[in-house]
Amino acid sequence: DAGVIQSPRHEVTEMGQEVTLRCKPISGHNSLFWYRQTMMRGLELLIYFNNNVPIDDSGMPEDRFSAKMPNASFSTLKIQPSEPRDSAVYFCASSGSGTSGGGYNEQFFGPGTRLTVL
Amino acid sequence: DAKTTQPPSMDCAEGRAANLPCNHSTISGNEYVYWYRQIHSQGPQYIIHGLKNNETNEMASLIITEDRKSSTLILPHATLRDTAVYYCIVINNNNDMRFGAGTRLTVKP
Repeated sequence: DAGVIQSPRHEVTEMGQEVTLRCKPISGHNSLFWYRQTMMRGLELLIYFNNNVPIDDSGMPEDRFSAKMPNASFSTLKIQPSEPRDSAVYFCASSGSGTSGGGYNEQFFGPGTRLTVL
Repeated sequence: DAKTTQPPSMDCAEGRAANLPCNHSTISGNEYVYWYRQIHSQGPQYIIHGLKNNETNEMASLIITEDRKSSTLILPHATLRDTAVYYCIVINNNNDMRFGAGTRLTVKP
């Protein structure tokens, strides 16, 4: 299995531009998570989906951020308009039923997208 | 608002056991203790989890105190590749995983 796939790996854009980050979860996994990591705030959960339905988006910073999961194999995180304070590494993770047998199932993280907003 | 407290950093000699502590004094009965690690520039990686009993897998051992208010992750024979930030996370049956600052483990030759 290729694991969780994220694209692009690096993105540099100018303030005000729209940014779209993409994620392909591990096949068969039914939960998908978007995280953001910065030096100041550490690793933060932004939103997660279960069976393509958004369950908790309380971590989404503001209305400039939106996430979709049109099908089980694809999700996007969009920032419009982008701001310099959005610069961070964005991770996507997925988990599936029956992989760990306790509590919840371990999450498998992608390599991340390093976003720089100038 | 992580529910755990970890030392910010630790050192360990290569080949020796690394013992990483975690305090979770407010843990509730249905919450599990999970450990992840993040090697520089990579996404976090699952290590191990437990509820009450001690657990062991190919990567590590997890020792949970009887009152469940603290736990220790043990890497029995640390290698240079184990240098990473280790996160202790308490979570119940939902998927809301809150990472704290973690412990930066440095394995030295």
